[in-house]
Amino acid sequence: DTAVSQTPKYLVTQMGNDKSIKCEQNLGHDTMYWYKQDSKKFLKIMFSYNNKELIINETVPNRFSPKSPDKAHLNLHINSLELGDSAVYFCASSQGGPAETQYFGPGTRLLVL
Amino acid sequence: ELKVEQNPLFLSMQEGKNYTIYCNYSTTSDRLYWYRQDPGKSLESLFVLLSNGAVKQEGRLMASLDTKARLSTLHITAAVHDLSATYFCAVDHFGNEKLTFGTGTRLTIIP
Repeated sequence: DTAVSQTPKYLVTQMGNDKSIKCEQNLGHDTMYWYKQDSKKFLKIMFSYNNKELIINETVPNRFSPKSPDKAHLNLHINSLELGDSAVYFCASSQGGPAETQYFGPGTRLLVL
Repeated sequence: ELKVEQNPLFLSMQEGKNYTIYCNYSTTSDRLYWYRQDPGKSLESLFVLLSNGAVKQEGRLMASLDTKARLSTLHITAAVHDLSATYFCAVDHFGNEKLTFGTGTRLTIIP
């Protein structure tokens, strides 16, 4: 009965590889997000989708591409991984827009070697 | 650009003591959130404050909002070890389709 789930939980990979992180929410929410939390715990929005439509696209390298096949799923694909991409990536969802309470997934810990 | 600052960044306190975490933000906002994050875990919503003067309490935590001063506080009463975590405030800026998170306050309660 997990509300917001992400896979995988841990991802260790080499520089230059391409990887994907998947997110699913079973809350019936309209809006989903990707956040990046760096080693200093600073949390920053990357993308937001509302009913499969992109509404926020922060200044993120275009190696990062989100995809929302339906409103319950928001996946994140990363091409040509770099050392600086190492972080924890959180998916979140909310009913309505960002002004509503956001519910976070467990996070995906990405380490690029 | 909206800036959200918290202080202190790190706080170590003894069980039984009271303390306050401060969250300042730079532009008008219509709501403010407090989240808790345990080490290695996800973020859990604690409070949402919707208007000037709003106060919410849950157990030993009490949050308040002063929109004129652009300040929110999270007060901890008679701290217990279970409250050790990182606390984030987050602000929704008028007309901006995103939450901006504060820097976080890492709270450690010492027995």
